[in-house]
Amino acid sequence: DGGITQSPKYLFRKEGQNVTLSCEQNLNHDAMYWYRQDPGQGLRLIYYSQIVNDFQKGDIAEGYSVSREKKESFPLTVTSAQKNPTAFYLCATTGDRDNEKLFFGSGTQLSVL
Amino acid sequence: AQSVTQLDSHVSVSEGTPVLLRCNYSSSYSPSLFWYVQHPNKGLQLLLKYTSAATLVKGINGFEAEFKKSETSFHLTKPSAHMSDAAEYFCVVSSDSWGKLQFGAGTQVVVTP
Repeated sequence: DGGITQSPKYLFRKEGQNVTLSCEQNLNHDAMYWYRQDPGQGLRLIYYSQIVNDFQKGDIAEGYSVSREKKESFPLTVTSAQKNPTAFYLCATTGDRDNEKLFFGSGTQLSVL
Repeated sequence: AQSVTQLDSHVSVSEGTPVLLRCNYSSSYSPSLFWYVQHPNKGLQLLLKYTSAATLVKGINGFEAEFKKSETSFHLTKPSAHMSDAAEYFCVVSSDSWGKLQFGAGTQVVVTP
């Protein structure tokens, strides 16, 4: 089946630890996104990538890093510099410059131990 | 720079009465505008989109939205609310560069019998 796979579904981070959230897609979409969802704040854009080997900061990139070495993959690392990492993280893709319809993964809930 | 503001964080309506969800945007260029819906414990679903064609856009489930450039608004309406419309609704703008899709903070809709 075509789609977006996020893993793990639940992730726990210890103080001072970096953790990486996986996002893989087989839709052959060019653009990929990471959003953070907190109650009452909607979805906030962390990073996005329009093509392989290129990515841009969104509105809340501090404390996060990404890579886009392959079209299919856009992993997000939550570093120890992110002081409030507890949130629901959503990966999304879009493949049509005219359409821009977003396709979402099922999300990863990150919590701090 | 682009931004999007949803003017109401919560809207409560009675079943069978009209629904109005307000969204204002700012952008440097002609925007693409979207409304997404998120039902409890479900993924985000595209309701409708505006991409510079007709200013009145019809979406799924009886929703429609009107693009008003002079007011920089893209309000979502439905003539008669149904219990199944209870969900969170997000207004999304894309204008500054292709691929940067920015969400509003969301409007929680409650439908009472």
